[in-house]
Amino acid sequence: AQSVSQHNHHVILSEAASLELGCNYSYGGTVNLFWYVQYPGQHLQLLLKYFSGDPLVKGIKGFEAEFIKSKFSFNLRKPSVQWSDTAEYFCAVNLGSGNTGKLIFGQGTTLQVKP
Amino acid sequence: DVKVTQSSRYLVKRTGEKVFLECVQDMDHENMFWYRQDPGLGLRLIYFSYDVKMKEKGDIPEGYSVSREKKERFSLILESASTNQTSMYLCASSSPSTSGRVYEQYFGPGTRLTVT
Repeated sequence: AQSVSQHNHHVILSEAASLELGCNYSYGGTVNLFWYVQYPGQHLQLLLKYFSGDPLVKGIKGFEAEFIKSKFSFNLRKPSVQWSDTAEYFCAVNLGSGNTGKLIFGQGTTLQVKP
Repeated sequence: DVKVTQSSRYLVKRTGEKVFLECVQDMDHENMFWYRQDPGLGLRLIYFSYDVKMKEKGDIPEGYSVSREKKERFSLILESASTNQTSMYLCASSSPSTSGRVYEQYFGPGTRLTVT
């Protein structure tokens, strides 16, 4: 079965540190890839998405992610985190062939940024 | 802006009660989804619907049913609530982008259900 794996479950960083959150998926066909963020007490919202073209995609709030097809990966990065980036981050995959929009989510990574 | 609303933010029910969670979206989206969110498990799909009166089981449908009588409304029903259904329940909706390929989902604020 298709799956999404986020290797870091809980990450603690100081402000201004660089961030990289790993995401790997298991599916050999066409995929659309997403990162969602859930700030404390708020609903899930989209950070960025990839569906084709440039494998380096930029999202909101200075986040970016790189799709590496050969590694089945879509890692999220930010060069300098802020305290306000404290949140839970979810990677998700949509299988791109004739489906109904169903997403498969990773387990989530809790990011805590210390001021 | 897309808006997905859920009927309650917090709900406390007793074991054995029938529970209804309501979700409404205002963007005429075809697809609607119910997930439960548990620490360390991420989001797990319970049911989804791609059209009125259509529904498909997700990964964890046991103990749940759904209803979609109108396009904008998708209800999750716990026929007989149990303590292991204590969780955060998230509703989402989506439609294809203009390219027809990207199914971005929009989420509601969630309902935190406690079954005692």
